[in-house]
Amino acid sequence: QKEVEQDPGPLSVPEGAIVSLNCTYSNSAFQYFMWYRQYSRKGPELLMYTYSSGNKEDGRFTAQVDKSSKYISLFIRDSQPSDSATYLCAMKVGGGGNKLTFGTGTQLKVEL
Amino acid sequence: GAVVSQHPSRVICKSGTSVKIECRSLDFQATTMFWYRQFPKQSLMLMATSNEGSKATYEQGVEKDKFLINHASLTLSTLTVTSAHPEDSSFYICSARDPERGPEKLFFGSGTQLSVL
Repeated sequence: QKEVEQDPGPLSVPEGAIVSLNCTYSNSAFQYFMWYRQYSRKGPELLMYTYSSGNKEDGRFTAQVDKSSKYISLFIRDSQPSDSATYLCAMKVGGGGNKLTFGTGTQLKVEL
Repeated sequence: GAVVSQHPSRVICKSGTSVKIECRSLDFQATTMFWYRQFPKQSLMLMATSNEGSKATYEQGVEKDKFLINHASLTLSTLTVTSAHPEDSSFYICSARDPERGPEKLFFGSGTQLSVL
């Protein structure tokens, strides 16, 4: 079993839809949770960073963490064609150390 | 966010040659940089952690003599793929932390697509 599971998609939605992207994890030591957006053949761009359980909102993006269920989500409201990309979740254990563990990424396409 | 510049963006080389990839932090000092590898439709896999002024730390299964890492200054790390072979063809991405923006946030370069013929 992988430490981080993420549905690879592809996920296709119409413009304006609410998108829900999810990751599950098995390592209860993960304390820091991030979402990255990666356009084709580009480096990932940090979108959201959370530490505690609960919701964090930034513009059209909301990150949700449920540590009891080992489940994190990224919601995108009013999705736009420019949101079409691969979204990667990433996690890190607490207490120091450098290693981020990534999900495989979910490919999202927002269609006109 | 912090700016990490990676060069070149794409390189095509013959089998047996060596390729150097540069990673620079443009607006912050990075004592630690990270090198990842990504195959199509797969996740990023950490190859090594590059530490300024000391030897890199390699992940299990990564050949340190194959993938040479040098972190000579606080703003520059290089990855050299030595005697490249077709199986080394991949997307290589560097990243760095800006301590002032939080130790847990990684900022990535734009990646280098290596194709070995």
